[in-house]
Amino acid sequence: KNQVEQSPQSLIILEGKNCTLQCNYTVSPFSNLRWYKQDTGRGPVSLTIMTFSENTKSNGRYTATLDADTKQSSLHITASQLSDSASYICVVPTSGTYKYIFGTGTRLKVLA
Amino acid sequence: EAQVTQNPRYLITVTGKKLTVTCSQNMNHEYMSWYRQDPGLGLRQIYYSMNVEVTDKGDVPEGYKVSRKEKRNFPLILESPSPNQTSLYFCASSFLGGSGPNEQFFGPGTRLTVL
Repeated sequence: KNQVEQSPQSLIILEGKNCTLQCNYTVSPFSNLRWYKQDTGRGPVSLTIMTFSENTKSNGRYTATLDADTKQSSLHITASQLSDSASYICVVPTSGTYKYIFGTGTRLKVLA
Repeated sequence: EAQVTQNPRYLITVTGKKLTVTCSQNMNHEYMSWYRQDPGLGLRQIYYSMNVEVTDKGDVPEGYKVSRKEKRNFPLILESPSPNQTSLYFCASSFLGGSGPNEQFFGPGTRLTVL
């Protein structure tokens, strides 16, 4: 069964600290993996898209990694800011179709 | 400004009263999709469309209908809403094709309550 699982479910960190969010997937065949940021009550916004050939990709203070062999991805946030407080969602499309499998997200809260 | 718009943003209705949630995009995207988001379940795909007059079911299509008569619009229709369709709904769009995966752009969401 195609699944995307994220951990932790929630996370609280102090402003300025780093954190890493995890995503494990069982979607097969695999073509790409996406990370989204979703502020409360708003639509998700794309942070990065990683194809199976990419290991690391950065977008400002966000760095995503992908290990297609172990079917794991991580999102590392450096020097967190209060505005990073949001849910972070991992998404994997089923290759050959246009269906998307979403993880349930990690809710991050950054405290001053 | 490139965007996906949804209307209404908030809706409270009663069981059985037909409703339509509109979705429109101004980016000339071929692909459009509807999702619902429920606490603890994440986003789940309801229907998607790869172009005008081409639609297909997602994971949770029961109780919903869609149509794609124009490229920019993709309305979601609830013929006979029930309380279990109370949810936060998102429309999204993207290009198809090209050399790599295409980013999906999401609308602001429609919060629907069915009494």
